[in-house]
Amino acid sequence: NAGVMQNPRHLVRRRGQEARLRCSPMKGHSHVYWYRQLPEEGLKFMVYLQKENIIDESGMPKERFSAEFPKEGPSILRIQQVVRGDSAAYFCASSPQGLAGGHNEQFFGPGTRLTVL
Amino acid sequence: GDSVTQMEGPVTLSEEACLTINCTYTATGYPSLFWYVQYPGEGLQLLLKATKADDKGSNKGFEATYRKETTSFHLEKGSVQVSDSAVYFCALKRNYGGSQGNLIFGKGTKLSVKP
Repeated sequence: NAGVMQNPRHLVRRRGQEARLRCSPMKGHSHVYWYRQLPEEGLKFMVYLQKENIIDESGMPKERFSAEFPKEGPSILRIQQVVRGDSAAYFCASSPQGLAGGHNEQFFGPGTRLTVL
Repeated sequence: GDSVTQMEGPVTLSEEACLTINCTYTATGYPSLFWYVQYPGEGLQLLLKATKADDKGSNKGFEATYRKETTSFHLEKGSVQVSDSAVYFCALKRNYGGSQGNLIFGKGTKLSVKP
């Protein structure tokens, strides 16, 4: 059973370009979480999605960032008009069902390291 | 709001030394507590967890006990190995109310074990 897959592993963009980060959850998992790790920092929650629904986006910046998890295909984290401050590692995690009230583990992918020049 | 504070690193130890990485938390109610480990260039892996007060999580020789009275979840290992070199993150998850899905992480503690 393949783990959580993220691609690309490394992404370089120039200021003003768009970045698209993809996450394929583990087989049988329908819940996806995105986290951002800035240099020398812990992970910060960004957004929690189920298939075709955003459950919690309280950690998403108000502008330029969006996320989706369509019925078919991977979850996408999209950053428009990137700036140098967006440079970070972006991690995706998945779980088999919602964590609300439960104790299911989140399984993390290897991350996408975004560098904005 | 809820938060996790863990000891600053880096921590450098010799092989077979004892390890303690302190972690304290602030949360309303009774969160679940976790330790994750991140090896260089990789994602996070769950190391151990505890879901209620006085629970002890353990894995690969690591242990942590959920202490409600001191709001702590310190990570311990009696004899570290070079292969334990990694960054360790303490995290909590609420079990009630809004934002139950997300984990709240500490800043991480980098451990280096020398032969």
